[in-house]
Amino acid sequence: NAGVTQTPKFQVLKTGQSMTLQCAQDMNHNSMYWYRQDPGMGLRLIYYSASEGTTDKGEVPNGYNVSRLNKREFSLRLESAAPSQTSVYFCASESGQEETQYFGPGTRLLVL
Amino acid sequence: SQKIEQNSEALNIQEGKTATLTCNYTNYSPAYLQWYRQDPGRGPVFLLLIRENEKEKRKERLKVTFDTTLKQSLFHITASQPADSATYLCALAYGNNRLAFGKGNQVVVIP
Repeated sequence: NAGVTQTPKFQVLKTGQSMTLQCAQDMNHNSMYWYRQDPGMGLRLIYYSASEGTTDKGEVPNGYNVSRLNKREFSLRLESAAPSQTSVYFCASESGQEETQYFGPGTRLLVL
Repeated sequence: SQKIEQNSEALNIQEGKTATLTCNYTNYSPAYLQWYRQDPGRGPVFLLLIRENEKEKRKERLKVTFDTTLKQSLFHITASQPADSATYLCALAYGNNRLAFGKGNQVVVIP
């Protein structure tokens, strides 16, 4: 089992460019999450998906969109990147029964 | 407003001693609380879960307590080892399978 995988590992964007961060899990989990982690701010929830076909906003959704493509995959899209979106992005999944989240290795995004 | 507070100062501790971390929260009523470990450049890893009706939970050298009256959890690492050096995150359950995370507390175990 690979667990939770994220691509890319690192990305540099210019202000205004768009990109999609990919996340996949092979644990047959129902719930998936996108967080961002900034120095001194801790992990903040951007969007989550409680099950295939549903998505909901978290604490900091502005500037982002998500797609739950199927049970395995949950992508995060930045339509027009801003320097304030420079961060480390983590995807996580949860079975819904274990009540614990499994995190991917993260994507480091730098917006110039 | 809702807050989760963990000590921002790193805890430096001698190998073999017990490290104790604190997580305080306000305006949450979590059904359970979790602790995660995060190493530099990596995603958090789940360690322990404790429910609101449990006072204490143990796993190997780790112990967690949960006091819903004080709105506080304590996380202990006994017989600490240099390999325990990491940042430890407190997380509270809220809503539908969502977690709110503290900012984390770094532990440095000195050989």
